[in-house]
Amino acid sequence: GENVEQHPSTLSVQEGDSAVIKCTYSDSASNYFPWYKQELGKRPQLIIDIRSNVGEKKDQRIAVTLNKTAKHFSLHITETQPEDSAVYFCAASNGRDDKIIFGKGTRLHILP
Amino acid sequence: EAGVTQFPSHSVIEKGQTVTLRCDPISGHDNLYWYRRVMGKEIKFLLHFVKESKQDESGMPNNRFLAERTGGTYSTLKVQPAELEDSGVYFCASATTRMNIQYFGAGTRLSVL
Repeated sequence: GENVEQHPSTLSVQEGDSAVIKCTYSDSASNYFPWYKQELGKRPQLIIDIRSNVGEKKDQRIAVTLNKTAKHFSLHITETQPEDSAVYFCAASNGRDDKIIFGKGTRLHILP
Repeated sequence: EAGVTQFPSHSVIEKGQTVTLRCDPISGHDNLYWYRRVMGKEIKFLLHFVKESKQDESGMPNNRFLAERTGGTYSTLKVQPAELEDSGVYFCASATTRMNIQYFGAGTRLSVL
């Protein structure tokens, strides 16, 4: 079955700098890659997603890139702000069923 | 529009007891999913309902877990009897149609002592 690896597990960046979180997946049939953000005590919220027919998607300060050949996808947050502090989960889904396979999460700390 | 709601937010029980978690999906969402996150690990799929039918229950850990969605509205997840390794956060998510965005609830934190 699908396996999603996520790195790093913890990331601290200075406010205003960029943050990058990287994920790999194992199932070449995966075609949908959502990213969820979970703030302390709150629900995981979808922040951006990408499907396998595109290589990059951007939404304001957030961008996601996908390399299908290498089975890598990454989340990029630019001009980080204190409210970006949270746990971020990458995930993959294969389109044959609705399971979302998650990575273990990255705890992002934005330092003042 | 109300989001996915889960009850209770936190449950503390002793090993061997029974606990029932409830999920109310977004109104009109036929697809309902249960996931679980054990401390420090990934969020893992448990099962998927389409209306009242179980579409996929391949992630259910064992027969101590029973999920129902009578009437195709809210769902319950019962753990009986609970074991220590069942501790974690149980999330519910719902979606309008298959392969669409899944909206998550805030989760139920289950602590089995």
